[in-house]
Amino acid sequence: QLQLQESGPGLVKPSETLSLTCNVTGGSISSYSYSWGWIRQPPGKGLEWIGSVYYSGSAYYNPSLKSRVTISVDRSKNQFSLKLSSVTAADTAVYFCARLPPGIAVYYFDYWGQGTPITVSS
Amino acid sequence: QSALTQPASVSGSPGQSITISCTGTSSDVGTYKYVSWYQYHPGKAPKLMIYDVNTRPSGVSDRFSGSKAGDTASLTISGLQAEDEADYYCSSYTSSSTLVVFGGGTKLTVL
Repeated sequence: QLQLQESGPGLVKPSETLSLTCNVTGGSISSYSYSWGWIRQPPGKGLEWIGSVYYSGSAYYNPSLKSRVTISVDRSKNQFSLKLSSVTAADTAVYFCARLPPGIAVYYFDYWGQGTPITVSS
Repeated sequence: QSALTQPASVSGSPGQSITISCTGTSSDVGTYKYVSWYQYHPGKAPKLMIYDVNTRPSGVSDRFSGSKAGDTASLTISGLQAEDEADYYCSSYTSSSTLVVFGGGTKLTVL
């Protein structure tokens, strides 16, 4: 059974860079043509897509975050990561990692992690 | 404010059917068949319930069904059960630069 587990610092200071890792178990991150993404949920709000990195190597980011976001895949460690720079209180949220199934036009996530809460505060 | 509009809450009694709406625009729901629905119990991993408007992943109960008419997609749950009580989110591909948008979520209460 594929499982995704986010890990992160919990608390980040304003202006710093948030780094999160998603560890994938129960399957290889290099299997087939899977793609990987990050989604977040600010307190009391709905879900927000952060970005996705496709098996082709192409990465797509939410334009509202694009200048601050990088998603990368480390196949040797079977994990992928999110870096969000210059964080502010508005970046406080629960962050989810998720998998996109193989395909050309795939815009849904078939497996998700449980989420990790991140608070931005001094 | 979320790109897709969902009712904040819906409720129903066990055995009944409910429908959750998800309204977008011609840039997303109205034009493309890439609408998906997720069930979320806080503290647990969200679960994919429907993709590509009306396709159920393997293992998802056939009590869950999806449809679309114009700019509005819908998730229908028939034969409500207590375990269906959760938050439900819709999502869609969008031709805008955002690529993927979500709704604000709907809290389903089973009375």
